[in-house]
Amino acid sequence: AQSVTQPDIHITVSEGASLELRCNYSYGATPYLFWYVQSPGQGLQLLLKYFSGDTLVQGIKGFEAEFKRSQSSFNLRKPSVHWSDAAEYFCAVGASDDYKLSFGAGTTVTVRA
Amino acid sequence: DTAVSQTPKYLVTQMGNDKSIKCEQNLGHDTMYWYKQDSKKFLKIMFSYNNKELIINETVPNRFSPKSPDKAHLNLHINSLELGDSAVYFCASSLGLATYEQYFGPGTRLTVT
Repeated sequence: AQSVTQPDIHITVSEGASLELRCNYSYGATPYLFWYVQSPGQGLQLLLKYFSGDTLVQGIKGFEAEFKRSQSSFNLRKPSVHWSDAAEYFCAVGASDDYKLSFGAGTTVTVRA
Repeated sequence: DTAVSQTPKYLVTQMGNDKSIKCEQNLGHDTMYWYKQDSKKFLKIMFSYNNKELIINETVPNRFSPKSPDKAHLNLHINSLELGDSAVYFCASSLGLATYEQYFGPGTRLTVT
């Protein structure tokens, strides 16, 4: 079965600074990878996804992520954060054999002025 | 138009009661899901339905019973509510079983007193 680890529970970043959130997965084959964002009191919104092809994927709100097979990682980045990026971020992995998404424990991002 | 909607948004009830949460999607998707998000924000899949057929049934107490009257609706009925059932419940949908891109509803915060 697949699993996801988000090593950082909480990250604080200054507005305008860059942001990188780490995600490591465990799965024997090529996984389907996702990043979701959850603003306070809201549902989850899909930021971006990787299925195959170009390992650098662009998403909404200026986010991008890079799939690195050798490191089993799918880290999320944003060059310059805005106060509205304060939220909970979830990495998720889907495997082709069980029709499920497995989510990481999430990383809380706080943006300071 | 809301893609995935849930009612109610908040639900406060006493132990031992029976309650239902409703979910509807207008995306034309075939597959729908229920997730539970605990107080530590960990997301765990509970059920999935594909074209009204139960596909995933995780280790959930049988007090929880999903019902899908048609492929646009997936309701969750909970009998004999317990304190530990307090959580946020999310409904989600995807195009099909093997398309892992899921769209989430806004969540229902259930509080059992």
